Amino acid sequence: GEDVEQSLFLSVREGDSSVINCTYTDSSSTYLYWYKQEPGAGLQLLTYIFSNMDMKQDQRLTVLLNKKDKHLSLRIADTQTGDSAIYFCAAWGPGTASKLTFGTGTRLQVTL
Amino acid sequence: DVKVTQSSRYLVKRTGEKVFLECVQDMDHENMFWYRQDPGLGLRLIYFSYDVKMKEKGDIPEGYSVSREKKERFSLILESASTNQTSMYLCASRQTGGYTFGSGTRLTVV
Repeated sequence: GEDVEQSLFLSVREGDSSVINCTYTDSSSTYLYWYKQEPGAGLQLLTYIFSNMDMKQDQRLTVLLNKKDKHLSLRIADTQTGDSAIYFCAAWGPGTASKLTFGTGTRLQVTL
Repeated sequence: DVKVTQSSRYLVKRTGEKVFLECVQDMDHENMFWYRQDPGLGLRLIYFSYDVKMKEKGDIPEGYSVSREKKERFSLILESASTNQTSMYLCASRQTGGYTFGSGTRLTVV
């Protein structure tokens, strides 16, 4: 089955850019997602990218997809303290039996 | 916006009790899912359902069952709660652009 991996922790200073990385194993994954989870809350969909794209930008968020390496990244420009949260990468597609497979989540800590 | 509502934010149950976690979505989606979330393990799929009265095992179904009698409601059942089922449980409903999650139920089994 699909395997999605992320590093567990990232610390950045306020105002810097954050880059959260993710790798997946199933090359047939059709959609790749980024979710944000704030303390005590459920998951909020941040953005997603279709597998035939290599980049998507939405305000401060930039998603890059390297399909050859099965590598996905989320860049947050001008990181703010309100961006402190856990970020989950997830993959969906025919090879995943139409199930969304999540990474372990990356905890982003923003320091002053 | 799709809304997914989980009836309880926090639950404390005793070992051996039968526990029901309820989830309701308001957009007539066919696909619904139950995940549990544990630190360092991410989200793991317990069960999912493609339609009323249909259910499929996810990656960790042991100790759980589900019920989907109506399209909008998907219930997770712990037949006999155990301490290793202490976790955050998240329900989701699927739409074209992704899944919408409820705010979660933090279950503690003592």
